[in-house]
Parts: sequence; C-alpha cells; structure tokens
Amino acid sequence: EIVMTQSPATLSVSPGERATLSCRASQSVTTNLAWYQQKPGQAPRLLIYGASSRATGVPARFSGSGSGTEFTLTISSLQSEDFAIYYCQQYNNWPPLTFGGGTKVE
Amino acid sequence: EVQLVESGGGLVRPGGSLRLSCAASGFTFSTYTMHWVRQAPGKGLEWVSAIIDTSTYIYYADSVQGRFTVSRDNAKKSLYLQMNSLRVEDTAVYFCVRDRYFDASLTTWGQGTLVTVSS
Repeated sequence: EIVMTQSPATLSVSPGERATLSCRASQSVTTNLAWYQQKPGQAPRLLIYGASSRATGVPARFSGSGSGTEFTLTISSLQSEDFAIYYCQQYNNWPPLTFGGGTKVE
Repeated sequence: EVQLVESGGGLVRPGGSLRLSCAASGFTFSTYTMHWVRQAPGKGLEWVSAIIDTSTYIYYADSVQGRFTVSRDNAKKSLYLQMNSLRVEDTAVYFCVRDRYFDASLTTWGQGTLVTVSS
C-alpha cells in the first residue's frame, strides 16, 4: 500500500497570500496524483488530477506540480472561500486508493 | 447535471447490518467505475470499495474485506453497499463517488450518508 503524507497539518495564511501545500508518496506514483478541497459539512471537491491538470471550474489560482514522490498544491492568492482542508490522493497503484491525512488552511 | 444521492444511513448496533444505496443521474452510469469512500467524524478520507462498470472487478479495503459487499444495478443507475458485522470503527459518513473514467481521480461525490455504529 502506498502511504501518502501531507505537510504541514495546519497552514495559517492571510487572504491574498500564497499558500503552498506538500504531499509525499512512499513510492513513486508518477503523475497519478489528485488534490481535493473539503469545506465543513460538504463532500470533497476535485481540484487537480494528473498532478497538474485543473478540474472543470477550478479557478486558475490553484495549481499543482510534481511527479514521482513529491507534489505541491499552490494557491497563488488566497481568497476567503479557500479556507478548507485539502487532501492528496494517489491512483497510480490501486487498490487501495490512498489519501493523505490532509492540510487545514486557516 | 451529474448527481449522486446516497441513502440508507442510520444508527445500528455493533454486529448489525445496513445497506446503503446511491442513485445516479446525469451521466451514463453503466460506463463508470464507482467507489465508496468514508470519513469518520473529524478524520480524513478512507477509500472503502470500488466496482468496475460491468461488475467484472470488485475491490475492497482490507478493513472491510469479508464484511462489506458492493454491487450495482446499471439498469436502475444505482450503487449499493451491503455492510454486515458492523463495528464501532465503521462509524463514518459514506460517500458514493464516480471516477473520471480515464483514471481513478474522483470527480463527482454525493453528499454522503451517516452511519453510526453504537450500542
């Protein structure tokens, strides 16, 4: 099973600032990596797939990068609606699909 | 509009059973792999099970293998999760999820249904 590790657990950012979230895989997942945003009481929402492709309707301020075992989600200028928990997920080698523990952006 | 609506959650005693349902609309259900993903209160996301379009291949997380059974009815555009021998640690919101077709990134999520296992 591929273990996904996210850091930091909590990220304190002010509106307008840049946020950088990290995700590490225990072995290579090539670019088969997705990012999700989850707000309280809501289902997760797909933001990024293929490590760097934005899902439909996702604002351009969200960008993903990386390959192999190291990945980054960047929010270029944080908006009030971006305060949420972000999860990474690998789908290179499954089952099982595995998620990181999440990063809370506050 | 692509939509997934779960139902069937509730309170059940340890050792009991529950059957979750998911009604799909707005897409060709029969061509997509469908997943169940759960989230314990205040915790992260845990993949539970997947069923390929024709039900040829079915997969489970180790934590539910032998206790849960996933199935689908493509004619009814519905996904199911039969949960037996429930444990306290199965308490979670269960999401019905559709993947992207080309890969197992999870594009569409239902609103979730809460399963509480408690005596």
